[in-house]
Amino acid sequence: SQWGEENLQALSIQEGEDVTMNCSYKTYTTVVHWYRQDSGRGPALIILIRSNEREKRSGRLRATLDTSSQSSSLSITAAQCEDTAVYFCASPTGGADRLTFGKGTQLIIQP
Amino acid sequence: GPKVLQIPSHQIIDMGQMVTLNCDPVSNHLYFYWYKQILGQQMEFLVNFYNGKVMEKSKLFKDQFSVERPDGSYFTLKIQPTALEDSAVYFCASSFPGDDTQYFGPGTRLLVL
Repeated sequence: SQWGEENLQALSIQEGEDVTMNCSYKTYTTVVHWYRQDSGRGPALIILIRSNEREKRSGRLRATLDTSSQSSSLSITAAQCEDTAVYFCASPTGGADRLTFGKGTQLIIQP
Repeated sequence: GPKVLQIPSHQIIDMGQMVTLNCDPVSNHLYFYWYKQILGQQMEFLVNFYNGKVMEKSKLFKDQFSVERPDGSYFTLKIQPTALEDSAVYFCASSFPGDDTQYFGPGTRLLVL
């Protein structure tokens, strides 16, 4: 789980496996962004889910959002080596579009 | 897709000096942001900027920090004077009104000695 006091998490899986990363947040939010950050680059938005969607898919990605438990997940199906990156969840908090990011999950896909 | 550019990519300076980080946002975007990321930690919001004004700033946006975008040129973050704890990667982002998506630049790695 990304939010809270834990440090950046690391997750290593074999190519072809499925993986799920979780994110829980402290304040109510109606939208969660999932970003991917490759080494030496800035974060890039990969999927955005709103409270009226519960689940959203984009290619091999699937995001869920549960407002009752204040949690979100990002799943990758049949992971490939190019999925290796750090994945962050983020939500707009405090108004004026400031994003609050989770600690991030370092995902490593082994060939 | 839309690209945000940041100059320089790396900067090493001595504590107490001034530094200016430059951001070239997406051309038709109107909201601009700076975030700070210390190695191994989460990205944290510093400030956002719209219509020539700071809209919101966090506790991390110290008095030594300032932002501006003179005449539609670079959106800049200036730190004067710098401190050791300012060492981090600084990311610029921009967005269009009504669009949830913030587009991030590749970051400027600042090392204060």
